[in-house]
Amino acid sequence: GAGVSQTPSNKVTEKGKYVELRCDPISGHTALYWYRQSLGQGPEFLIYFQGTGAADDSGLPNDRFFAVRPEGSVSTLKIQRTERGDSAVYLCASSFQGSGSYNEQFFGPGTRLTVL
Amino acid sequence: SQQGEEDPQALSIQEGENATMNCSYKTSINNLQWYRQNSGRGLVHLILIRSNEREKHSGRLRVTLDTSKKSSSLLITASRAADTASYFCATGDTGRRALTFGSGTRLQVQP
Repeated sequence: GAGVSQTPSNKVTEKGKYVELRCDPISGHTALYWYRQSLGQGPEFLIYFQGTGAADDSGLPNDRFFAVRPEGSVSTLKIQRTERGDSAVYLCASSFQGSGSYNEQFFGPGTRLTVL
Repeated sequence: SQQGEEDPQALSIQEGENATMNCSYKTSINNLQWYRQNSGRGLVHLILIRSNEREKHSGRLRVTLDTSKKSSSLLITASRAADTASYFCATGDTGRRALTFGSGTRLQVQP
């Protein structure tokens, strides 16, 4: 596709439920990132994939959060036992990661998660 | 956690005026990027400046970087109503690929 896509665009769930958020990066981009943005704040890093492996998961807030990228393309962010504090916009980004270079990240439109 | 602060938090100007936003950060960086965000959703990349660069231009945008002061500024010249958005600086810290964002400046350009 032309850009990073994320589904669903909005997700409303109840406290304690499990949710999955999907990200489809730009074709050919080897690096994929998940960020979370609360109202009035800048995005906060969650996890970064290089290919299929999680190269940096230091931003995941706790073990209720997990992400996978099994074939090195689409990624799914999984949140177990959701809490009201998980409500935020979840942003996915991808970039072409050339060796030794730091490139711009292309962001998707985000998934707005609301936990009631 | 947020890297640093953007200043001002909010800015309102008239169309045709220049807008300047500042960003401070705390760590050693490899690069600094500026993004624009409309309506609280997807971010659009504006410009990237590497740590060994001091100034960069792109159309109506001018970015400066002072690594000794750990600060950057974004200048938008001849602003337009369509420039109304939130602007974020984001640093690529040394040794990391992830970006660390500031809290943003909300720019309002009055027609």
